[in-house]
Amino acid sequence: KAGVTQTPRYLIKTRGQQVTLSCSPISGHRSVSWYQQTPGQGLQFLFEYFSETQRNKGNFPGRFSGRQFSNSRSEMNVSTLELGDSALYLCASSLVTGGSEQFFGPGTRLTVL
Amino acid sequence: SQQGEEDPQALSIQEGENATMNCSYKTSINNLQWYRQNSGRGLVHLILIRSNEREKHSGRLRVTLDTSKKSSSLLITASRAADTASYFCATDTNQAGTALIFGKGTTLSVSS
Repeated sequence: KAGVTQTPRYLIKTRGQQVTLSCSPISGHRSVSWYQQTPGQGLQFLFEYFSETQRNKGNFPGRFSGRQFSNSRSEMNVSTLELGDSALYLCASSLVTGGSEQFFGPGTRLTVL
Repeated sequence: SQQGEEDPQALSIQEGENATMNCSYKTSINNLQWYRQNSGRGLVHLILIRSNEREKHSGRLRVTLDTSKKSSSLLITASRAADTASYFCATDTNQAGTALIFGKGTTLSVSS
C-alpha cells in the first residue's frame, strides 16, 4: 500500500505570496491532519479533516486554511506569506478521526524569503 | 504551551547501550504515542499506549505509562547507529477541538 505523499517537497516563496500544499493519504484513510514544524516551536497542529469536514483546528491565524476532497486528498493554503511561515509542513493520515495512530508523509519544506 | 515535554532534550550513547527518554504531560489523556523522525523527514509511529495500560513492548522498544504522575518513558534496548533520530511523544487528550499534541522531542545520537 502506498504511503502518504506530499507535493511539492520543496518550495521557495517570497513574502506576501500565497502557497498551496497537497497531500494524498493512504488509500482508505479518511482523516488527514496537517502540522507545522519549526526549530523554535516544534510540531504544531494546524487542522484535521475527516470526510471533507474540518474536525479540529489549531491556534493559527486565518491565513492558514485547508480543505479535503471527496477522495480524501487534502490541500492547505497559506496566504500573505510571512518570513515566520518558513517551516516543514507535515501531513498525516489515519483511518479514523481523533488521536489514533498517524501515518506521516515526508513533508514539504517551505522557505519564505 | 506544549502538552508533552520530553527529557532529556539530547542524548548521546554508544551502540549496544540502552536509551531512555521521558515524557511528561499536563492534562488527562486517552492515549500516548511515540514517534521517531529522521533528520528533516516525516515521522514514523513507534508505539501507542492507552491510558488504562501501564507497559507495552514492541521489539527493542519498551514504553511505560504512569497516569498518576502524568509521565511516560521510552526505552530502546541495545541501541544501533540506525536509531539515531529525534523521538517525540504525542498525547491524545480529551480536549475538544484538538488532535494529537506533540512534545519538542529528544534527539538521540548513537555512535558506533
